[in-house]
Amino acid sequence: QVQLVQSGAEVKKPGSSVKVSCKASGGTLSSYVISWVRQAPGQGLEWMGGVIPIFGSSNYAQKFHDRLTIIADESTSTFYMELSSLRSEDTAVYYCAHQPGAAWYYFDYWGQGTLVTVSP
Amino acid sequence: EIVLTQSPGTLSLSPGERASLSCRARQSFGSANLAWYQQKPGQAPRLLIYGASSRATGVPDRFSGSGSETDFTLTISSLEPEDSALYYCQQYGTFPLAFGGGTKVEIK
Repeated sequence: QVQLVQSGAEVKKPGSSVKVSCKASGGTLSSYVISWVRQAPGQGLEWMGGVIPIFGSSNYAQKFHDRLTIIADESTSTFYMELSSLRSEDTAVYYCAHQPGAAWYYFDYWGQGTLVTVSP
Repeated sequence: EIVLTQSPGTLSLSPGERASLSCRARQSFGSANLAWYQQKPGQAPRLLIYGASSRATGVPDRFSGSGSETDFTLTISSLEPEDSALYYCQQYGTFPLAFGGGTKVEIK
């Protein structure tokens, strides 16, 4: 059983960056696929991008391509999402989510979510 | 880019009634590369259905999925009070992975 535990809430200024962590346990880490999905207040779910460490492969939604970085630290089983040039529209709950089968599938396990607030 | 349209926006039904939620795309993304999720306020989404029709572990059998190509349905055969939630479909057949806008199910 995979468990994902995310870092705590963040408050950031416009133009700054935020880095959210997601510590994984259970399952076979070498076959993990972790994506990040965000949800703005009162809105739906939006896939941002993800990483497959075993293949050294990542994929980002075009919307975030120039300001999003997703990395995996296999030594600590921790995944990171860094979003730069923050604006008020980036205020959202950010979730990490596991995809099975070392492929870009559905999301079977989710972190608890991290609220990122962008405010002057 | 695949756009998923969910309907209706809100479904208001009584306990024991049947709920049918629709998820449609303008173009195909593979015959069964679709999942459904349930989300309750303040919680992360929960996987219900994958592969269009396979129930995830621990999901009650009143939840079922059907459809292929561009037209999919989530059916809740007999609504329970705890089924009050938002429901999202998601395609994983092509990049970018994408979610529908959601259907809110209210229990009267």
